[in-house]
Amino acid sequence: GAVVSQHPSWVICKSGTSVKIECRSLDFQATTMFWYRQFPKQSLMLMATSNEGSKATYEQGVEKDKFLINHASLTLSTLTVTSAHPEDSSFYICSASRPGRVSDTQYFGPGTRLTVL
Amino acid sequence: RKEVEQDPGPFNVPEGATVAFNCTYSNSASQSFFWYRQDCRKEPKLLMSVYSSGNEDGRFTAQLNRASQYISLLIRDSKLSDSATYLCVVRRGFKTIFGAGTRLFVKA
Repeated sequence: GAVVSQHPSWVICKSGTSVKIECRSLDFQATTMFWYRQFPKQSLMLMATSNEGSKATYEQGVEKDKFLINHASLTLSTLTVTSAHPEDSSFYICSASRPGRVSDTQYFGPGTRLTVL
Repeated sequence: RKEVEQDPGPFNVPEGATVAFNCTYSNSASQSFFWYRQDCRKEPKLLMSVYSSGNEDGRFTAQLNRASQYISLLIRDSKLSDSATYLCVVRRGFKTIFGAGTRLFVKA
């Protein structure tokens, strides 16, 4: 089956530093990748939609200058949390959209748990 | 009002019980529908797609009523391993909207 990987799986950093999270589709090419954030006991909230070779589309309320997204190839998208603060601590999950005959299927990465001290 | 609404639960059921989850969505332009399962501190995993004709996968049955904008998931003969959060998911174009999830605890 389709596999999406994320790296790192967890990270602890100091306030003010930047953190980069990678999302890779391992056995298919994903023209579209999605970045989500999930706070404890809450559902996934879409942050942005990333299309290969173009600028990401951010959801309302998500600061594009704080959450930098780069979709450099059909198998790799990166999310950089710049100048991280404790309130950015969350579970960040990416997903990659695999085209199908009827509709696309989204496959999720295992997530990255970010803790900002 | 959230675009996808679910009863948060938790549902506490004994092994072997039948349990049903409901979900409603507010945007009639929604095109495709899914149930995902999420275990604690893990990513969501696709459980099944949902079709108007209803579909079954082993102990799991999903149903969609477009007129009422209502989706259901029925789990028969619950197992301990079914304990998880079940997410109702709706897609509209490129956008995927998640419900907040319903927590299920199956007890021995």
